[in-house]
Amino acid sequence: NAGVTQTPKFQVLKTGQSMTLQCAQDMNHEYMSWYRQDPGMGLRLIHYSVGAGITDQGEVPNGYNVSRSTTEDFPLRLLSAAPSQTSVYFCASRFDRGNTGELFFGEGSRLTVL
Amino acid sequence: SQELEQSPQSLIVQEGKNLTINCTSSKTLYGLYWYKQKYGEGLIFLMMLQKGGEEKSHEKITAKLDEKKQQSSLHITASQPSHAGIYLCGADMWPRYNTDKLIFGTGTRLQVFP
Repeated sequence: NAGVTQTPKFQVLKTGQSMTLQCAQDMNHEYMSWYRQDPGMGLRLIHYSVGAGITDQGEVPNGYNVSRSTTEDFPLRLLSAAPSQTSVYFCASRFDRGNTGELFFGEGSRLTVL
Repeated sequence: SQELEQSPQSLIVQEGKNLTINCTSSKTLYGLYWYKQKYGEGLIFLMMLQKGGEEKSHEKITAKLDEKKQQSSLHITASQPSHAGIYLCGADMWPRYNTDKLIFGTGTRLQVFP
């Protein structure tokens, strides 16, 4: 099983550029989410989705957009990249909403904004 | 501010020593998860706790959730270099707080030296 697949693994952007981080899962999970990890900050929730067509904001949503048109895919869009968005981004999924078991994580995408 | 506080932030122990990492919230937790992350890599699921007073063990790692479900501890017995990494606790806020957020603490960086 592929599990949770993130692309790209590495990306360098200039300030003001836009890009999309892709996330796909093949486990038929309803719940998907995006986190960012900065040094000393642990994981912070950006956006999440409890099913196709349903998304909501997490702890740090500003500067990011998401959509969920299919169960499998949950892309994260940076509309106008800023140096403060330099981070490692993780996509995660699990079977269903709240307390239904572990989150399965992708391998992460390292983004640098110059 | 972080809704989940982990302590200590960093830990350096000699191989063979026991250690404890704590995860504390001001709110009652619906589900509590422990993950391990090796430096520069993805997250590995360790354990999930749901009931007050629950305790689970896997190899030399034991996790407990207190009766009030506001604090969890992760205990490693006879630490080994393979235990080194970042330990993260995560918690479900659903359904008690009517949100599907699964948030994480700030992480504890563990180093084990021979």
